[in-house]
Amino acid sequence: QKEVEQNSGPLSVPEGAIASLNCTYSDRGSQSFFWYRQYSGKSPELIMFIYSNGDKEDGRFTAQLNKASQYVSLLIRDSQPSDSATYLCAVKLYISNTGKLIFGQGTTLQVKP
Amino acid sequence: GAVVSQHPSRVICKSGTSVKIECRSLDFQATTMFWYRQFPKQSLMLMATSNEGSKATYEQGVEKDKFLINHASLTLSTLTVTSAHPEDSSFYICSARDEGDTQYFGPGTRLTVL
Repeated sequence: QKEVEQNSGPLSVPEGAIASLNCTYSDRGSQSFFWYRQYSGKSPELIMFIYSNGDKEDGRFTAQLNKASQYVSLLIRDSQPSDSATYLCAVKLYISNTGKLIFGQGTTLQVKP
Repeated sequence: GAVVSQHPSRVICKSGTSVKIECRSLDFQATTMFWYRQFPKQSLMLMATSNEGSKATYEQGVEKDKFLINHASLTLSTLTVTSAHPEDSSFYICSARDEGDTQYFGPGTRLTVL
């Protein structure tokens, strides 16, 4: 079992819809969770992080964390074609004292006009 | 958000030469920096963890004598690809970790070895 799993997609949604990206992780003690966006040919950029169970909202983005189910998700409201990218879920393992992140394979999102 | 720079953004070199890539955290101090490599249409692969003032920790399978890492200050880490060969051609990306464990990525360096 991979430490961080994402569906590689592609996930295709129409413009204006809600895109839901999911991620599961195996380390029950993990405390820090991150979502990054990576456009083709570019480096990842941070969208948001979440540490506590529940929802965290930032503009059109909402991260959801459920530690009991070891599940973290990212919702993108009012999806735009410019949101088309690969979304990376990253988890900091409980035992890591260097801040090393374990990345999922990424989910490719396509927002169609 | 925090800003991380990388230089150069693109480099083309002949086989057998060495290439140095710089990674700087511009507006925060980073005790830890990370070096990743990414081949086309593949996921990020962590190469090494770099701590200021100490030796880097390399991931399994990464040759430490080929990929030399120096983290001389809290804002600068360098990666030197020694005796580069065409199979080393890739997208090299650094990241810097802030006090809150968040990693901010540099824009990346695209290396092409002829």
